[in-house]
Amino acid sequence: DAGVIQSPRHEVTEMGQEVTLRCKPISGHDYLFWYRQTMMRGLELLIYFNNNVPIDDSGMPEDRFSAKMPNASFSTLKIQPSEPRDSAVYFCASSRATGGENTEAFFGQGTRLTVV
Amino acid sequence: AQSVAQPEDQVNVAEGNPLTVKCTYSVSGNPYLFWYVQYPNRGLQFLLKYITGDNLVKGSYGFEAEFNKSQTSFHLKKPSALVSDSALYFCAVRDMNSYYQLIWGAGTKLIIKP
Repeated sequence: DAGVIQSPRHEVTEMGQEVTLRCKPISGHDYLFWYRQTMMRGLELLIYFNNNVPIDDSGMPEDRFSAKMPNASFSTLKIQPSEPRDSAVYFCASSRATGGENTEAFFGQGTRLTVV
Repeated sequence: AQSVAQPEDQVNVAEGNPLTVKCTYSVSGNPYLFWYVQYPNRGLQFLLKYITGDNLVKGSYGFEAEFNKSQTSFHLKKPSALVSDSALYFCAVRDMNSYYQLIWGAGTKLIIKP
């Protein structure tokens, strides 16, 4: 398996523009997580899906952020409009389960977002 | 409240020496414990986990960790450090009663000097 695939790897955009980050989870994984990593706040869980359904989006910072998972092999995280404080590395991760043996999450390589 | 502490921002070790990266946790129930490593400009890579059973867990790249329930610790160890082990290491815990929420430590930067 190719692992979790994220695109783009780097994104530079101007303040006010819409940004869409993409993720393909590992096949067979029922859970998908979006994280944000910054120096100041560390690793933050934004939202997670189970079987394509958003379960908890309490980590989404504002209404400017939205996430979708139209099918088991694709998810997007959208920021509209983007602001400089959104600059961070955004990670997608997936796991087969959240309990029992197959509970570890596997991460993509991340998207480094810079909003200028 | 659930929490994870990695008390050292940075650990410096000479190549060939044993290394330890510390992690302590607080959860209300029994914990699932994880270690991940992050190399520069890369995602987090899973190293090892403790779910139940033997307190000494072996993982990738020669790393191991020991679960100590009385001390609520899960320290990461390696008998002989390599320069290539230099990276950022994260400890994480999940309460068995919480289906998804991983609580992450702040990370420890491990520097192995030749």
